[in-house]
Amino acid sequence: SSELTQDPAVSVALGQTVRITCHGDSLTNYYASWYQQKPGQAPLLVIYNKNNRPSGIPDRFSGSSSGNTASLTITGAQAEDEADYYCNSRDRSGQHVVFGGGTKLTVL
Amino acid sequence: EVQLVESGGGLVKPGGSLRLSCAASGFDFISYSMNWVRQAPGKGLEWVSSISSTSVYKYCADSVKGRFTISRDNAQNSFYLQMNSLRAEDTAVYYCARETIFGLSAFDIWGQGTMVTVSS
Repeated sequence: SSELTQDPAVSVALGQTVRITCHGDSLTNYYASWYQQKPGQAPLLVIYNKNNRPSGIPDRFSGSSSGNTASLTITGAQAEDEADYYCNSRDRSGQHVVFGGGTKLTVL
Repeated sequence: EVQLVESGGGLVKPGGSLRLSCAASGFDFISYSMNWVRQAPGKGLEWVSSISSTSVYKYCADSVKGRFTISRDNAQNSFYLQMNSLRAEDTAVYYCARETIFGLSAFDIWGQGTMVTVSS
């Protein structure tokens, strides 16, 4: 079982703001990264080191963290943001990597 | 262009073996830790194994420990996953992924994936 917990599904109206959360004990010691995955594609890193965006990722994507919870916020969601989103981090040992179960984002 | 290309997937019987390869190009391969991540059909991402830049550190998930072995050849800009004693539950798309230069378990470059099917 995953040591990081995500809500299975979230929906947002076009142009509105949505927050996707990730819970886990290891997040008190390690930052989460966030990935976007569209059907038939490899995952794409959108946030790392709590709130850093790789080159090419729109600034409507942001990250935050508090205690054992990491969050990905999309401000002004677009139709192309509809995808599965995964968090990951280290486990409590620091040696292994863990992924959350994923959140399916629907843009209405 | 920075890219990773997997190969070696296919259909194998339970108990069989496969060796996956990941060829890297466009970046200084020896500077990065590398990982394998898999995704069973219709399921989420599962980290499988990681190897540090000079192979000093190797880790694997409990679900594959003792059956899968990760290795790399920095001279060939490639790394590998030897999979033995394969089970039906190992059926998945296997991605190779680069960890950022900062580490942090953030994977910034991914391959396109190679399908492994374990079935009799």
